Amino acid sequence: DSGVTQTPKHLITATGQRVTLRCSPRSGDLSVYWYQQSLDQGLQFLIQYYNGEERAKGNILERFSAQQFPDLHSELNLSSLELGDSALYFCASSARDRKNTEAFFGQGTRLTVV
Amino acid sequence: AQSVTQPDIHITVSEGASLELRCNYSYGATPYLFWYVQSPGQGLQLLLKYFSGDTLVQGIKGFEAEFKRSQSSFNLRKPSVHWSDAAEYFCAVGARTGTASKLTFGTGTRLQVTL
Repeated sequence: DSGVTQTPKHLITATGQRVTLRCSPRSGDLSVYWYQQSLDQGLQFLIQYYNGEERAKGNILERFSAQQFPDLHSELNLSSLELGDSALYFCASSARDRKNTEAFFGQGTRLTVV
Repeated sequence: AQSVTQPDIHITVSEGASLELRCNYSYGATPYLFWYVQSPGQGLQLLLKYFSGDTLVQGIKGFEAEFKRSQSSFNLRKPSVHWSDAAEYFCAVGARTGTASKLTFGTGTRLQVTL
């Protein structure tokens, strides 16, 4: 168990809908990362938050947004969903130690858009 | 920008045989390098990491990896594979600027173990 909790584990929704994925980082970790894993794109970095503020952005679509709350949990919002958004979405967190970028991953949320 | 190449998409080894999974990276500075393993339906588990110092790093489950700067490689090895090692293995390079950081992953190598 990595200590990173993601909910829900599975989500099935229709095209055009909006969903929210939730992540609770390991206790004490200030950084939260979101990754998307799909068959055609592999593991893609989406976005990073550090102590409530956006710090790094990757290949995140404009239809997607994220935030980190004062209690350090994070949510990834996906809107106007398309079939191609079906993927496994991972959250990861890392310690406040500035010497490394070691990240611990949750079990993921499998999103299926039908 | 950093990148990672895992040239082998799929590898099959017999139980008890040795294993080497290849990883080549591209990064302008001293890299932070990682190997993660993903079992079916599971998240990513960190096997080992390299930040600096000794170029041969030991990880969990009997895995080790060697950092070779001259070859831009960070290959994963295990002397004797167990059937439970069947999974997908990802090499990653980490980049950090202040509090901004991210991991860039390779495309993964799927390991199959035959009995």
